[in-house]
Amino acid sequence: AQSVTQLGSHVSVSEGALVLLRCNYSSSVPPYLFWYVQYPNQGLQLLLKYTSAATLVKGINGFEAEFKKSETSFHLTKPSAHMSDAAEYFCAAGPRGTDKLIFGTGTRLQVFP
Amino acid sequence: DSGVTQTPKHLITATGQRVTLRCSPRSGDLSVYWYQQSLDQGLQFLIQYYNGEERAKGNILERFSAQQFPDLHSELNLSSLELGDSALYFCASSVRTSGNIQYFGAGTRLSVL
Repeated sequence: AQSVTQLGSHVSVSEGALVLLRCNYSSSVPPYLFWYVQYPNQGLQLLLKYTSAATLVKGINGFEAEFKKSETSFHLTKPSAHMSDAAEYFCAAGPRGTDKLIFGTGTRLQVFP
Repeated sequence: DSGVTQTPKHLITATGQRVTLRCSPRSGDLSVYWYQQSLDQGLQFLIQYYNGEERAKGNILERFSAQQFPDLHSELNLSSLELGDSALYFCASSVRTSGNIQYFGAGTRLSVL
């Protein structure tokens, strides 16, 4: 069965530092890939989506993710963290031919001043 | 605001009871998805409806059922509630199906006492 692995349940960075959140998927056929962010007591908000048009995907709030088929990865990055980036981030895969999303376990990002 | 409306925001009930969670999708979206978010299971896909018909089932218990009405709103019915059913239940909607961005509501937090 397809799965999504997010390495690191907690990541802490200083304000202004690089943010790197890791996501790997398990599938021989690359699925649709998504990153969502969840702020406290809120629903999930889409950051970006990979559809196979381009390997480097730019999203909202300065985030981007690079799809690497050879590594089955879709890591999320942001060059400079802001305090407002503190939230939980979920990587999700949408297997081709199905409609559901398979979520990773999430990574909680803390940003220190 | 994602455009997906979920009611109620909070629900507190007792074991053995039955509750109904309601979801209004974004205008124009035909597909509705239900997810459960709990501390031990993470975000799990429960069920999907497309234009009134059940399209996909995930890890949904037999005590749970859902339907999508002609006006496209959806209800998730949870019966014979157990303590372990306490979770955040999300509804999401999308225009069509596979690969489409799913927009999430703010969720209904269910507490079973």
